[in-house]
Amino acid sequence: AQSVSQHNHHVILSEAASLELGCNYSYGGTVNLFWYVQYPGQHLQLLLKYFSGDPLVKGIKGFEAEFIKSKFSFNLRKPSVQWSDTAEYFCAVKASNTGKLIFGQGTTLQVKP
Amino acid sequence: SAVISQKPSRDICQRGTSLTIQCQVDSQVTMMFWYRQQPGQSLTLIATANQGSEATYESGFVIDKFPISRPNLTFSTLTVSNLSPEDSSIYLCSARGGGVAGELFFGEGSRLTVL
Repeated sequence: AQSVSQHNHHVILSEAASLELGCNYSYGGTVNLFWYVQYPGQHLQLLLKYFSGDPLVKGIKGFEAEFIKSKFSFNLRKPSVQWSDTAEYFCAVKASNTGKLIFGQGTTLQVKP
Repeated sequence: SAVISQKPSRDICQRGTSLTIQCQVDSQVTMMFWYRQQPGQSLTLIATANQGSEATYESGFVIDKFPISRPNLTFSTLTVSNLSPEDSSIYLCSARGGGVAGELFFGEGSRLTVL
């Protein structure tokens, strides 16, 4: 069965600091990978996704993620965070044969002004 | 993209009653799913809502507790039956469009509080 693990549960950064959130998945077949963000009081929004091709994916708001197949990882990065990036971040994996999206536990990011 | 509307957005229910949540998508979608997000937790997939047939439930979720309907390609309902305080959660409807992208879109969720 697929599973997704996010290593950081709660991250606190100062503005302008660099961000990297870890995400590992377990599934041996072809996967599609996603990062979603949930700002306080809002619904889930897609940050970026990987389906195929260049393993370095760029998303909205300056976020990017790198798919490393050999490590089963899809870490999220941003060179310089802003206070407005304070939110919950979810990594998710969709196995191509089931179409189901499985989420990691989520990481709460708090950016201090 | 797909816009998903859920009703109600929030409700407070008494123990032992049931709540039905409606999900309307503004375009025909291939797949619809129902998730639960318990307080402070991630999203857990409840079931895949299949058009014209019984839903496919994930481990730990059963039809008697979470009956689901999907009469057409744009609408689905989730009922949470025989409510207990442990059912207090946000329930989210999601839908996946066709094509290679296959992005999953989410509704704003229905926040249920059981007293």
